[in-house]
Amino acid sequence: DIVLTQSPALAVSLGQRATISCKTNQNVDYYGNSYMHWYQQKPGQQPKLLIYLASNLASGIPARFSGRGSGTDFTLTIDPVEADDTATYYCQQSRNLPWTFGGGTKLELK
Amino acid sequence: EVQLVESGGGLVQPGRSMKLSCAASGFTFNNYDMAWVCQAPKKGLEWVATISYDGSSTYYRDSVKGRFTISRDNAKSTLYLQMDSLRSEDTATYYCARHDGGYRESLDYWGQGVMVTVSS
Repeated sequence: DIVLTQSPALAVSLGQRATISCKTNQNVDYYGNSYMHWYQQKPGQQPKLLIYLASNLASGIPARFSGRGSGTDFTLTIDPVEADDTATYYCQQSRNLPWTFGGGTKLELK
Repeated sequence: EVQLVESGGGLVQPGRSMKLSCAASGFTFNNYDMAWVCQAPKKGLEWVATISYDGSSTYYRDSVKGRFTISRDNAKSTLYLQMDSLRSEDTATYYCARHDGGYRESLDYWGQGVMVTVSS
């Protein structure tokens, strides 16, 4: 299985930039696409898709969110961070079955 | 508006069965592959299974192969998860989610989730 590693937590100040990383133990690129996706989950809610195929903004997601990376190293950036962004962020790969998620990064405000 | 509404969860004894349903609306159900994803209490997300748009292909994580069956009724726009031989480690919130196209695509819409507790 492809293992995705995320830092457990990140604390940033309002208005600053948050960079969340996701590293995989295998390449998730396939036919020109990076099969890496990012989700936001707030307490008591279902996950919400933010970024698909590493760098594409999902419908309705503000441009403060962006994703980049390829191969085995990926980042989700939120700039600037707003109070409503406190949540847990998960990366997920769909290069190889079983689809796997990172352990999640909890974003908190300083 | 895309809506996914799960039902059928609750408390079940180890070794027994339970069937989850997910009613879909707001999109052409039979155009999309669908998935179940679970989340144990205070834990991260774990993909469980995916079914192709026409039901002809199914994919499972190893820990549920032979115990869980994903299926769909396109005439009713409903997704199912039959869970047999349940174990305590299956205790989780189960989410129904839509793949944004084929099974390799992202999960672009999620239901609110349904809790399954496996305990004697």
